[in-house]
Amino acid sequence: KQEVTQIPAALSVPEGENLVLNCSFTDSAIYNLQWFRQDPGKGLTSLLLIQSSQREQTSGRLNASLDKSSGRSTLYIAASQPGDSATYLCAAYNYGQNFVFGPGTRLSVLP
Amino acid sequence: ETGVTQTPRHLVMGMTNKKSLKCEQHLGHNAMYWYKQSAKKPLELMFVYSLEERVENNSVPSRFSPECPNSSHLFLHLHTLQPEDSALYLCASSPQGSGRTDTQYFGPGTRLTVL
Repeated sequence: KQEVTQIPAALSVPEGENLVLNCSFTDSAIYNLQWFRQDPGKGLTSLLLIQSSQREQTSGRLNASLDKSSGRSTLYIAASQPGDSATYLCAAYNYGQNFVFGPGTRLSVLP
Repeated sequence: ETGVTQTPRHLVMGMTNKKSLKCEQHLGHNAMYWYKQSAKKPLELMFVYSLEERVENNSVPSRFSPECPNSSHLFLHLHTLQPEDSALYLCASSPQGSGRTDTQYFGPGTRLTVL
C-alpha cells in the first residue's frame, strides 16, 4: 500500500528566499504525482501534475521534479512571497489505490 | 457560478441527527470524490463516483452514505455520527475519472462538528 511522507512538516523563511519542499513515496509504480496548495480552512488548489513519464513540470515560480526510482518529488519555489504562505500537499496516484496524500508542509513566508 | 461548490460551509450536529452535505461541480467533469481531512491526519479518500457509479468505497463506516444522482451533483448523507467524525469534508471532481491523467479540482469544504 502506498505511503506518502513530506518533510519538513513546517517551514518558516524570509521573503525572497528560494526553497524546496520534499515528498517521498514508498511505491514507485505511480502514474502521476500532484502538488496542491491549501489555505487555512479551505479546499485544495492544484499547482502541478507530473506524469510518470515526465521528470519535471514548471508553472511560474514553481518547479516540481519527479524521481520515480528513488520515490521522491520536490517542489521548488523561487523568490518566495508572503502570499505563498499555505500548506503544500503532494499526492501520488497508483492504479487501484487512487490518490494517496502526504500530511503536508506548512509554509510561512515572513515579510 | 463556476468550479466546485459545497454547502453548507459549516455544520454542527448532534450524534442523533441526520444531515446531508451537498457538492456541485460546474466543470462538466465525469468523476466526483469525497475526502475527509481530520486534524493532524493526511487527507483520506472516502468515495469515488465515475459517471454516476460508485467505483470506490474506501472502508468508510455505514453512517456515511453517498449519493450521486447525476454527474454534476454529489451528496454525503450523515446519520448517527460520532465526535471523531468531526473534520473538514472536501469534495472534488476530475474530467475523466481516471487519476492517471486527471487533475482534481476541489471545493472549499464543509467544516463538520459533531457534538
